[in-house]
Amino acid sequence: GESVGLHLPTLSVQEGDNSIINCAYSNSASDYFIWYKQESGKGPQFIIDIRSNMDKRQGQRVTVLLNKTVKHLSLQIAATQPGDSAVYFCAENRLSWGGSARQLTFGSGTQLTVLP
Amino acid sequence: ETGVTQTPRHLVMGMTNKKSLKCEQHLGHNAMYWYKQSAKKPLELMFVYNFKEQTENNSVPSRFSPECPNSSHLFLHLHTLQPEDSALYLCASSQGRGNQPQHFGDGTRLSIL
Repeated sequence: GESVGLHLPTLSVQEGDNSIINCAYSNSASDYFIWYKQESGKGPQFIIDIRSNMDKRQGQRVTVLLNKTVKHLSLQIAATQPGDSAVYFCAENRLSWGGSARQLTFGSGTQLTVLP
Repeated sequence: ETGVTQTPRHLVMGMTNKKSLKCEQHLGHNAMYWYKQSAKKPLELMFVYNFKEQTENNSVPSRFSPECPNSSHLFLHLHTLQPEDSALYLCASSQGRGNQPQHFGDGTRLSIL
């Protein structure tokens, strides 16, 4: 069936190292993807997005890579800091059941822990 | 400050109570959403409003009743809830329904006794 999933539920990295969080999707019609960060007690915070006509997009310390061939999305965080500890969600924008509009479908999330 | 404000932040209610959740967005967006976030589960879309009109209701029980009086305000009226309705309820907004990011509030943590 269709799904947006994350490869690992938890990820621990040393402070200063790079982090890579992965996401798989199965709906080949999805053309827009977003990464969110959710800290404890807060709502999801937009990090970066990418459209399907791109395979890479960079932000401040973050890079999103999109591989449409294998339906894989990744978020890379450079020089991971303690403040990066949070749950990270990927979301894909797919057509709703009625086909009249698109809606975001979220994965279950990966808990990133930054070790001192 | 996300530009999307939800009140209250925490709510405890009995199964026979009636309460309302409020969301206000200050981003000039046209679309607003209600999501339910339960522990260890993906966010579940509940309702979508676009230009004050409800465009989607994802088979949500009638004990949840949304209201969108204008593009900046969204309410979720609650009555006769069940213990399994305990969750974090998140409001989001976006500029249109196309490929645009949704911006979330910090949610209302709801506990049903």
